[in-house]
Amino acid sequence: DAKTTQPNSMESNEEEPVHLPCNHSTISGTDYIHWYRQLPSQGPEYVIHGLTSNVNNRMASLAIAEDRKSSTLILHRATLRDAAVYYCILTDQTGANNLFFGTGTRLTVIP
Amino acid sequence: DTGVSQNPRHKITKRGQNVTFRCDPISEHNRLYWYRQTLGQGPEFLTYFQNEAQLEKSRLLSDRFSAERPKGSFSTLEIQRTEQGDSAMYLCASRFGVATNEKLFFGSGTQLSVL
Repeated sequence: DAKTTQPNSMESNEEEPVHLPCNHSTISGTDYIHWYRQLPSQGPEYVIHGLTSNVNNRMASLAIAEDRKSSTLILHRATLRDAAVYYCILTDQTGANNLFFGTGTRLTVIP
Repeated sequence: DTGVSQNPRHKITKRGQNVTFRCDPISEHNRLYWYRQTLGQGPEFLTYFQNEAQLEKSRLLSDRFSAERPKGSFSTLEIQRTEQGDSAMYLCASRFGVATNEKLFFGSGTQLSVL
């Protein structure tokens, strides 16, 4: 499975945008890029996913580099409830049966 | 609540005892997964089921671990002769399809503490 690299931690002020980076230089053409987040004392929850084009949903936006070797999760206005560990995950045809989470990025939101 | 349900939320046991956890997936989901998460780490895959068939097991799943999903509905994860190293959060997840872009729905987990 192709792996991802994320910063261990990031901080953001409340109500400001947050850009969470993810590097995936060994991504293959059929790999999807998924983002999950894990709030304290909860299981991970799906945030967004994409293949080649940028994606938007009610939670966030996903910006995918043209060469697909990196992506950025964008939270447009961070709230205290967005404080969580964010995981960037690739899924391919062989690893479709499980997700490799890594250690993710711990986002701290400062009031 | 139509999400993934796990019971119990917390389990404290003594070393050497057996424990069993239960997971009730979202009803129409035919794939069910078990993950383990230790402090400061991301979840690690243990095993998954397609309906009642257990199709893949991680090397993390030692012989002391067994999982079942009778009738393709709820699932149980049993740990025999628990060790202190088994202390972790055990997460269950489910999804409907098999496509790589299908999202997983996770439960809140069972926190196991082995004394």
